Amino acid sequence: AQKITQTQPGMFVQEKEAVTLDCTYDTSDPSYGLFWYKQPSSGEMIFLIYQGSYDQQNATEGRYSLNFQKARKSANLVISASQLGDSAMYFCALAGGYQKVTFGTGTKLQVIP
Amino acid sequence: DTGVSQNPRHKITKRGQNVTFRCDPISEHNRLYWYRQTLGQGPEFLTYFQNEAQLEKSRLLSDRFSAERPKGSFSTLEIQRTEQGDSAMYLCASSLLGKERDRGLSGNTIYFGEGSWLTVV
Repeated sequence: AQKITQTQPGMFVQEKEAVTLDCTYDTSDPSYGLFWYKQPSSGEMIFLIYQGSYDQQNATEGRYSLNFQKARKSANLVISASQLGDSAMYFCALAGGYQKVTFGTGTKLQVIP
Repeated sequence: DTGVSQNPRHKITKRGQNVTFRCDPISEHNRLYWYRQTLGQGPEFLTYFQNEAQLEKSRLLSDRFSAERPKGSFSTLEIQRTEQGDSAMYLCASSLLGKERDRGLSGNTIYFGEGSWLTVV
């Protein structure tokens, strides 16, 4: 069974500051992937960043980085230099060996000017 | 546009009617997924296909729901005798599952369409 936990229903961050969105997971698959998606109010699910369980380095994509701590089973998303357009729901997701993807309940991020 | 395409984007239907949603995945993606999302919740897995084979169905997928991917390309999700509880956004996603040596899933990003909103009145 796979499980994703996002414990922060909502977060506020000042514009230009960095913010960390928490995600913990549980899986019995030896090989898995972790994703973060952004969902603005329009509803589309936008892929942000991916971390493979065997990747040695933390993934980075522009202002997004994933703080992967395998022993703790955590995969936190760090957004640097927040922008107003970053206000959205953020979902952490886990894909097991057969790529069935399980989502967390999401964190609503609001960037304050 | 070469992303995942879903049609229709919005559908309002009367309770008891049947509705069908179509998903066109990214070209050559062999995996296709259907998810359902209600307001304030994360997407819930419904079913997924590897080429034309339906590999798994969630218990959420009652007998009124059926999904097909007849030629391993586009997929349809049909809901028969709709109920008000079926009102949700139905998301389709696709990915390219790599070869065995790529089981580390590196690069097997899953891309979503823009979703199909269903309102049952």
